[in-house]
Amino acid sequence: GEDVEQSLFLSVREGDSSVINCTYTDSSSTYLYWYKQEPGAGLQLLTYIFSNMDMKQDQRLTVLLNKKDKHLSLRIADTQTGDSAIYFCAESMRGSQGNLIFGKGTKLSVKP
Amino acid sequence: GAVVSQHPSRVICKSGTSVKIECRSLDFQATTMFWYRQFPKQSLMLMATSNEGSKATYEQGVEKDKFLINHASLTLSTLTVTSAHPEDSSFYICSARPFLREFADTQYFGPGTRLTVL
Repeated sequence: GEDVEQSLFLSVREGDSSVINCTYTDSSSTYLYWYKQEPGAGLQLLTYIFSNMDMKQDQRLTVLLNKKDKHLSLRIADTQTGDSAIYFCAESMRGSQGNLIFGKGTKLSVKP
Repeated sequence: GAVVSQHPSRVICKSGTSVKIECRSLDFQATTMFWYRQFPKQSLMLMATSNEGSKATYEQGVEKDKFLINHASLTLSTLTVTSAHPEDSSFYICSARPFLREFADTQYFGPGTRLTVL
């Protein structure tokens, strides 16, 4: 079955880099996504990567995909206090209606 | 672009009443909308997939007679929680998938609706 796993917590100091990791089980994933959720709010799409790509960079965000190991990571450079939030990894399946399977989310705390 | 709104943002109701939540895609058309439920400190659980002009597809364990979904247009889907009970209290989030696929199958999420049933 489909399963997406993430560590639950990450704490970093302001200015450092944050790396949030995710593993998934279904090799038929087409796209993998990173969403950010601030307290009491909906999800904001941060970035996505197609399953045939290895890396994608967008300003402070770098996504790495190791398809062999089914491992996805999100690196946030120069982490700021405003980056404190819960980050969800999600995958969508080939042939689905675009249903997303979410991980449980990683709570990122940024200390000044 | 790609903004999704939900209304209301917060609702408190008495047990036994029905509550309607609206989800709108403001600047794009969405043939598919999704309804999720999120419990505190947990991930999103997909409740149902809603396609414009047809019946919603419910996930296993979700009562379709309790959670009525209507997707009457390409920009609006509604979720009605009928005869709400305290255990229905939760954060309900909708998402919309653009009709045009240049967004890589992405779903755009609404800000969520906090439902509290007394």
